[in-house]
Amino acid sequence: KAGVTQTPRYLIKTRGQQVTLSCSPISGHRSVSWYQQTPGQGLQFLFEYFSETQRNKGNFPGRFSGRQFSNSRSEMNVSTLELGDSALYLCASSLDLADYYGYTFGSGTRLTVV
Amino acid sequence: AQTVTQSQPEMSVQEAETVTLSCTYDTSENNYYLFWYKQPPSRQMILVIRQEAYKQQNATENRFSVNFQKAAKSFSLKISDSQLGDTAMYFCAFMKQEDNAGNNRKLIWGLGTSLAVNP
Repeated sequence: KAGVTQTPRYLIKTRGQQVTLSCSPISGHRSVSWYQQTPGQGLQFLFEYFSETQRNKGNFPGRFSGRQFSNSRSEMNVSTLELGDSALYLCASSLDLADYYGYTFGSGTRLTVV
Repeated sequence: AQTVTQSQPEMSVQEAETVTLSCTYDTSENNYYLFWYKQPPSRQMILVIRQEAYKQQNATENRFSVNFQKAAKSFSLKISDSQLGDTAMYFCAFMKQEDNAGNNRKLIWGLGTSLAVNP
């Protein structure tokens, strides 16, 4: 079956702009999580969505937001972009909130803010 | 708060040899899961192996095995018969077991070990 699909693969944005990233989970998976990966900070949890509701949120400013649709697809939005938002954004899906078998990740969206 | 430490930023191994990657973690929790993920240049994070903390038996997946020492809070990954395709970043990760509502569920990651398999 198809894996986790993230679009776009690459993005270049200017400071102050906003951006929306998309993630389609594995069919049947209802939980979607987002992680930010940077060389300096490593991987950090952004948020997790399940049944169209944000269930968990990491320590990121309010400029980072997300949502989940009824088909479990998720989007994350970053407003008023800063240079420090340049990162690889990884999306991961799992069956549900009790699934501890390990997330399935997408290939990420590489965001560059100039 | 939980932390995960990978003390080896870079390692290399000859093809067909065995290599061990180290990981230690800090937690006061008793029920949790540990994972090793591999991230090749394609950027996709791939699950290599998983260990439940309540299981004493070390997990094994083909050429990959772990040495889980709960009391020492150590979770090392052994790769046997290394192959060129094993070249990647390897991340150790921790997840606390939450209630089924999934509150506060998240992976805590180490900073990774870059493994190069040389021909």
